[in-house]
Amino acid sequence: ILNVEQSPQSLHVQEGDSTNFTCSFPSSNFYALHWYRWETAKSPEALFVMTLNGDEKKKGRISATLNTKEGYSYLYIKGSQPEDSATYLCAFRLYSGGGADGLTFGKGTHLIIQP
Amino acid sequence: DTAVSQTPKYLVTQMGNDKSIKCEQNLGHDTMYWYKQDSKKFLKIMFSYNNKELIINETVPNRFSPKSPDKAHLNLHINSLELGDSAVYFCASSQGRGMGYTFGSGTRLTVV
Repeated sequence: ILNVEQSPQSLHVQEGDSTNFTCSFPSSNFYALHWYRWETAKSPEALFVMTLNGDEKKKGRISATLNTKEGYSYLYIKGSQPEDSATYLCAFRLYSGGGADGLTFGKGTHLIIQP
Repeated sequence: DTAVSQTPKYLVTQMGNDKSIKCEQNLGHDTMYWYKQDSKKFLKIMFSYNNKELIINETVPNRFSPKSPDKAHLNLHINSLELGDSAVYFCASSQGRGMGYTFGSGTRLTVV
């Protein structure tokens, strides 16, 4: 059973502040690490896919880093805005030699930005 | 224009019935998936399927079966529905290692 842990479980942040949260995953048989943004009543939306140790990805005010050797990834949000309020999911993909393996998701970090 | 579409959006049915949820993607992706969102909002993989192999999560009861008439469709059939099957089911598709998944809008199944 794969264990993907996210912390904190929920987070209240003042508008304009920066924040970050963590995803930890198995450090063996790594294939890919995904981050998704999930707004209430919508579908999860892909933010980043990282495949190499040391990868850093950025999209606007949101960025992510990856350390596959120690099994963790950070998601950073700079200058939080109310529209950033959502649940942020990370998901781990195991290398198994096949092409059809699915993602194992963490339980998410529920982010609320307070005006 | 919808990339991954699921129907129906809501499904209410009685225990013991057999039902299907349809999923279609127009992205040309090779692999499709079914996920179940449990009562704690946790997404769990049920099936992964491309044209070569089907991978089944061992925790999924054999009352659940995926059917793929072609590369663009992966339907979910559920036999003898139970109360515990009530959940939101998400279909998704992907292409290659470096791409994120595209999710459908979900089907809320309620078994009464």
